[in-house]
Amino acid sequence: AQSVTQPDIHITVSEGASLELRCNYSYGATPYLFWYVQSPGQGLQLLLKYFSGDTLVQGIKGFEAEFKRSQSSFNLRKPSVHWSDAAEYFCAVGILTGGGNKLTFGTGTQLKVEL
Amino acid sequence: DAGVIQSPRHEVTEMGQEVTLRCKPISGHNSLFWYRQTMMRGLELLIYFNNNVPIDDSGMPEDRFSAKMPNASFSTLKIQPSEPRDSAVYFCASSPWLAGGIGEQFFGPGTRLTVL
Repeated sequence: AQSVTQPDIHITVSEGASLELRCNYSYGATPYLFWYVQSPGQGLQLLLKYFSGDTLVQGIKGFEAEFKRSQSSFNLRKPSVHWSDAAEYFCAVGILTGGGNKLTFGTGTQLKVEL
Repeated sequence: DAGVIQSPRHEVTEMGQEVTLRCKPISGHNSLFWYRQTMMRGLELLIYFNNNVPIDDSGMPEDRFSAKMPNASFSTLKIQPSEPRDSAVYFCASSPWLAGGIGEQFFGPGTRLTVL
């Protein structure tokens, strides 16, 4: 069965510093990978996704992620963090099933930004 | 587009009562998902529908939980009877069909359920 591991529960960075959130997945076939962000009291919003092709994908809000098959990783990065980036970040792997598709989410990484 | 609409946004009820959560997906989306989010268990997929048909309900915790999608624009998640351990935020999400792939899931704002 597929699974997603986000090893960092909490991360604190200073505003303007770079950010990398780690994500490792387990899935037997080529994965569909996603990063979502959740602000307090809100639903999840898609930041970016990887299906195939270029392993470096660009997303909204200046985020990017790199798919590394050899490491089973899909880490999220941002070169300069803004205070408004404080939120919870979820990595997810999607699978196609007989009748549709579904996502398995990691446990999330809570990002705190210090001013 | 108004996005995925969920109601109510907050629900407080007493143990043993029936709870019904409602969801209106984005028009034209053919998949609908119900999730539960708690501190202890994170984000769990409860059930999902494709073209109004339940595809996978393996995440539904107990028979007390049931979900329906009578048409393409409406779904309900019912808990009867409710228990304090059902307290959580329940999200509905919808996605379009994407040929050969997986469409982006658009999440609603969630319903925060508290069972006393």
